[in-house]
Amino acid sequence: GAVVSQHPSWVICKSGTSVKIECRSLDFQATTMFWYRQFPKQSLMLMATSNEGSKATYEQGVEKDKFLINHASLTLSTLTVTSAHPEDSSFYICSARGTYEQYFGPGTRLTVT
Amino acid sequence: AQKITQTQPGMFVQEKEAVTLDCTYDTSDQSYGLFWYKQPSSGEMIFLIYQGSYDEQNATEGRYSLNFQKARKSANLVISASQLGDSAMYFCAMREGPGSQGNLIFGKGTKLSVKP
Repeated sequence: GAVVSQHPSWVICKSGTSVKIECRSLDFQATTMFWYRQFPKQSLMLMATSNEGSKATYEQGVEKDKFLINHASLTLSTLTVTSAHPEDSSFYICSARGTYEQYFGPGTRLTVT
Repeated sequence: AQKITQTQPGMFVQEKEAVTLDCTYDTSDQSYGLFWYKQPSSGEMIFLIYQGSYDEQNATEGRYSLNFQKARKSANLVISASQLGDSAMYFCAMREGPGSQGNLIFGKGTKLSVKP
């Protein structure tokens, strides 16, 4: 089946720094990629939808200036958490849409100290 | 109103037995898709099975089958011959609209524990 990779798998950073998370679709071209956030023991919360070559569409309540999304190619989308704070600590999961399926990356656990 | 409802926060099943995880959905669209994902403790969301609203037959993938009852708006996941490795969170999700349009809407999940 289709594979979506995510890098890094976990990261610890200091408050105030920025962190970039990469999401790649390895064996298919994804015109649409999604970024989710998941808190412990909760379901996935959609943060934004990104289409290749255009600006991302953010869900209500998600700060676009804080969570910068770039979908530079059909196989790569990046999420940059700018000026990270401890409350940004979470599990971030990207997803790429195929024909009808939607495949998820393995997730990135971000801890901001 | 919730679009996807999973009423079972946690379930236990004996190894080798079958288990049904419940999922009901709410939509006014005629065209939609239903998905089940497994999330083990590692965090990765693993796609299990898909059912389109116009599919007349229930979807099956190996030990997974989706009991699609359109009139009742339910899409229960049936896992046959449970294995210890099936212990995980299971999420039901729906995409509204035709084709690949629309975002996935997730339920709150069911934590399945398989007992040896």
